Amino acid sequence: KQEVTQIPAALSVPEGENLVLNCSFTDSAIYNLQWFRQDPGKGLTSLLLIQSSQREQTSGRLNASLDKSSGRSTLYIAASQPGDSATYLCAVRRGTDKLIFGTGTRLQVFP
Amino acid sequence: DAGVTQSPTHLIKTRGQQVTLRCSPKSGHDTVSWYQQALGQGPQFIFQYYEEEERQRGNFPDRFSGHQFPNYSSELNVNALWLGDSALYLCASTFKPTGTFYEQYFGPGTRLTVT
Repeated sequence: KQEVTQIPAALSVPEGENLVLNCSFTDSAIYNLQWFRQDPGKGLTSLLLIQSSQREQTSGRLNASLDKSSGRSTLYIAASQPGDSATYLCAVRRGTDKLIFGTGTRLQVFP
Repeated sequence: DAGVTQSPTHLIKTRGQQVTLRCSPKSGHDTVSWYQQALGQGPQFIFQYYEEEERQRGNFPDRFSGHQFPNYSSELNVNALWLGDSALYLCASTFKPTGTFYEQYFGPGTRLTVT
């Protein structure tokens, strides 16, 4: 059974810091991994999608890496801003199967 | 280009009642999945619809049922509501799931409160 864990559960940092959010999964037979952002009480916004054959993806100040063999992904946020405050969720997928989510990392960036 | 839309935004129901939630997929998408997100938790997969049929189902009781229409929109029905059904219900859409190069797009969710 696939399980997804995210560490840390919560993070509070001053503006400008570079951040690393961690995601680990127990079954390496995945098709892809997706990182999402969720603002309080809102839906999910897709940030980055990494296919199983890829090692990393970048979008602006965000960089996500994937190491299938070790069952890990990291989301790197450069030069954090107060607007980055949200919950960040990772999810893994196998073929047409469901997305399996972690419980998220709640990030607060203060001025 | 309209994204995934869901209605209603919020809903309050009493235990034992029935509820119907609605979802319209992103333009060009034909597959709809439903997720339940309890407070402080990650979303949990309920089921997925493609070509008007349920293709995958998560660990949810038969009280949860769905439907997909020819225009790809979808409904989620929950019967005999429990207090534990209170959650944010998310709809996600994607292309026909025959390959790996697809991405799921989520709607804003429907907040269901059962009293």
